[in-house]
Amino acid sequence: SAVISQKPSRDICQRGTSLTIQCQVDSQVTMMFWYRQQPGQSLTLIATANQGSEATYESGFVIDKFPISRPNLTFSTLTVSNMSPEDSSIYLCSVEMEGGYTFGSGTRLTVV
Amino acid sequence: QKEVEQDPGPLSVPEGAIVSLNCTYSNSAFQYFMWYRQYSRKGPELLMYTYSSGNKEDGRFTAQVDKSSKYISLFIRDSQPSDSATYLCAMNAGNMLTFGGGTRLMVKP
Repeated sequence: SAVISQKPSRDICQRGTSLTIQCQVDSQVTMMFWYRQQPGQSLTLIATANQGSEATYESGFVIDKFPISRPNLTFSTLTVSNMSPEDSSIYLCSVEMEGGYTFGSGTRLTVV
Repeated sequence: QKEVEQDPGPLSVPEGAIVSLNCTYSNSAFQYFMWYRQYSRKGPELLMYTYSSGNKEDGRFTAQVDKSSKYISLFIRDSQPSDSATYLCAMNAGNMLTFGGGTRLMVKP
């Protein structure tokens, strides 16, 4: 299975600022997925990122709030923009490999 | 009604017990079924991945899928304190994964 490196692992940010989360995969993958896990909740898909095209966002998530870059087949970034305390969550990237979906270790974001 | 239902627990068992974790789903289009283990402050770790109805075994873990009943289970034999975590079922039709809410398991020494 793929190995995913995600950083930062955690951050505490001021409201109104932005944070960019990076996800690096050790093999080339067509699609990368970004999830949010709010405190005590399960995972919710934010968007699907394909290399060379615009990300596809799920209902309730918009590009202005969560811009995504996918410059090559092993790397993606998710930015959480103009943060508010409601954005405090764990953000995870994921890829599909043979035998299932692998997740990064997550970025624990606290907005104060 | 959620597409995937999972009892949140917590489920507390003594060490060595057999643990049964379950999910029900409503979307008959789901084709692939997964179980993840998530420790506190960590990302989900894939435990089992199944496609067809029936059982799949891997060490102490057995995944069971009953598509006719839209019901999946994960059994853990000889449970250990290190199994204490949240267990998430997930399933997909196409590329989108849908997760259950997770069951918190505590295995007491």
